[in-house]
Amino acid sequence: NAGVMQNPRHLVRRRGQEARLRCSPMKGHSHVYWYRQLPEEGLKFMVYLQKENIIDESGMPKERFSAEFPKEGPSILRIQQVVRGDSAAYFCASSRDRRSSYEQYFGPGTRLTVT
Amino acid sequence: AQTVTQSQPEMSVQEAETVTLSCTYDTSENNYYLFWYKQPPSRQMILVIRQEAYKQQNATENRFSVNFQKAAKSFSLKISDSQLGDTAMYFCAPDFGNEKLTFGTGTRLTIIP
Repeated sequence: NAGVMQNPRHLVRRRGQEARLRCSPMKGHSHVYWYRQLPEEGLKFMVYLQKENIIDESGMPKERFSAEFPKEGPSILRIQQVVRGDSAAYFCASSRDRRSSYEQYFGPGTRLTVT
Repeated sequence: AQTVTQSQPEMSVQEAETVTLSCTYDTSENNYYLFWYKQPPSRQMILVIRQEAYKQQNATENRFSVNFQKAAKSFSLKISDSQLGDTAMYFCAPDFGNEKLTFGTGTRLTIIP
């Protein structure tokens, strides 16, 4: 039973380029969460999605960032025109249900470096 | 605002000893869930233990246990018989009923051989 999968594991982008991060939830999970971890900090919630729906995007920066979770395929976190401050580890988590009692299982993360 | 505080940025303990990591939080919610996650050098986030706020009994998972004091809004993690593999960052991460985790700043735990 594969866990949460994220790719790529490492991504290097020059300033101004686009970064596209992918997340495949665990089998049977239809709820996906994205978190960002800046160096030496805890994780910060960005967005919560179900299939074809954004449920909560209160943690997403207003510009340049978008997320989707299509009916088919992985969830995508897209960062347009990246800046150095976007360098961070981006973690995806999935859960079986939206209720808080269900644990979130994390992927290994994507480390984005903006040069 | 819902906040999480881990007041110990770093801790170290000898192998086989017991260590307690503290976590306090602030919320006006009554029903919520509390989690401790471990992040070893591999950076993978691993669930260590969970506690339901409506349960008075403290959760236990093998060498890991919690001391949950709801009135004091305190949720500490105790690691007994510590092992070298316990070396990691530990994050307290409640879900205050809004289906997202709020992470503390973490405690870097080092187990000394």
